[in-house]
Amino acid sequence: RKEVEQDPGPFNVPEGATVAFNCTYSNSASQSFFWYRQDCRKEPKLLMSVYSSGNEDGRFTAQLNRASQYISLLIRDSKLSDSATYLCVVNIRTGGFKTIFGAGTRLFVKA
Amino acid sequence: DVKVTQSSRYLVKRTGEKVFLECVQDMDHENMFWYRQDPGLGLRLIYFSYDVKMKEKGDIPEGYSVSREKKERFSLILESASTNQTSMYLCASQITPGYGQYFGPGTRLTVT
Repeated sequence: RKEVEQDPGPFNVPEGATVAFNCTYSNSASQSFFWYRQDCRKEPKLLMSVYSSGNEDGRFTAQLNRASQYISLLIRDSKLSDSATYLCVVNIRTGGFKTIFGAGTRLFVKA
Repeated sequence: DVKVTQSSRYLVKRTGEKVFLECVQDMDHENMFWYRQDPGLGLRLIYFSYDVKMKEKGDIPEGYSVSREKKERFSLILESASTNQTSMYLCASQITPGYGQYFGPGTRLTVT
């Protein structure tokens, strides 16, 4: 079982739609959580951290459920420019820290 | 804004050549990382460093070495490039363990 699992998609949605991505993690020593976006042939960019209380940044809302060991990203009012791959990232405390990247979920937003 | 720069965006080398990839960050971050990214395999950690002159192996260190002589600079070395090292190489920095990582633009290396 992978330490971080995401639905690879692709998700094809029309502009203006709301889309949600889920990510599950297996290690209960996971300490911090992030969503990144990666455009085609570009580097991953930190989109937002994910906090236990949930957090919002404009059209993006991230939530963490520690009991069920999953995190989610909700995108409201999708734009064409949201088309990208979204990576779920988990930092695990194992003596030091280990960062695990999910394989990513591909999103296509169409006009 | 954090800025991570990499020495080349595209590089073509021949099999057996020694290859140096350089990465510089300007935010005084403690930690730096080298990844490679291949289609279908995601990001794989090659080496990382938590301090100057310190290095730790990641998941796929074979065929690579690193150098961190200064805090802001982390170099990846391919001792003898092989065709299976053709990949996108991404450098990242992190202020301290547990925080998010910031990536450079990547170097697309082709070994022929």
